[in-house]
Amino acid sequence: DAGVIQSPRHEVTEMGQEVTLRCKPISGHDYLFWYRQTMMRGLELLIYFNNNVPIDDSGMPEDRFSAKMPNASFSTLKIQPSEPRDSAVYFCASSSQGDTEAFFGQGTRLTVV
Amino acid sequence: DAKTTQPPSMDCAEGRAANLPCNHSTISGNEYVYWYRQIHSQGPQYIIHGLKNNETNEMASLIITEDRKSSTLILPHATLRDTAVYYCIVAEGRYGGSQGNLIFGKGTKLSVKP
Repeated sequence: DAGVIQSPRHEVTEMGQEVTLRCKPISGHDYLFWYRQTMMRGLELLIYFNNNVPIDDSGMPEDRFSAKMPNASFSTLKIQPSEPRDSAVYFCASSSQGDTEAFFGQGTRLTVV
Repeated sequence: DAKTTQPPSMDCAEGRAANLPCNHSTISGNEYVYWYRQIHSQGPQYIIHGLKNNETNEMASLIITEDRKSSTLILPHATLRDTAVYYCIVAEGRYGGSQGNLIFGKGTKLSVKP
């Protein structure tokens, strides 16, 4: 398996624009997690899904952030409108029942100017 | 907030054992100790976890004190590729796959030097 795949790897956008980050979990995994990492706040869990259903979105910072998982092999994290303070590295991770670990993707580095 | 305390940084000579401490004095009975590491510009990577017994795998060993209030991750023969930030995380035992629901602290930045 190629692991958790995120795209794009880098995104630069202007303030006010809509940004969509994408994640393909490992095949067969039924949990998917979105994290954000900044120097100031470290790694923060934003939201996670089980069987495509959002379970806990308490980490989503504002209504400008939304996440969807339309099927077992794809999830998006959308920011609309984007702001400079959203600049961070966004990680997606997945896991499955019986696993003892979560597998992380390589991340998307978002820069909002 | 993270329930663990780790030193912000440590150095280790290549080929020597790296011993990374972690304090988790408020750990509860059903909580495990997990260790992840993050190599620069990559996503976090699982290393090992344990409840109360010492654990060993191909990557590392985990020593948990009898009162479970602290633990030590041991990399027996550190290499330059082990330079990374190491995170100690306390979390409930996970069933059903929710192992990614983790609260990360600041971690320890380990620098392995030649």
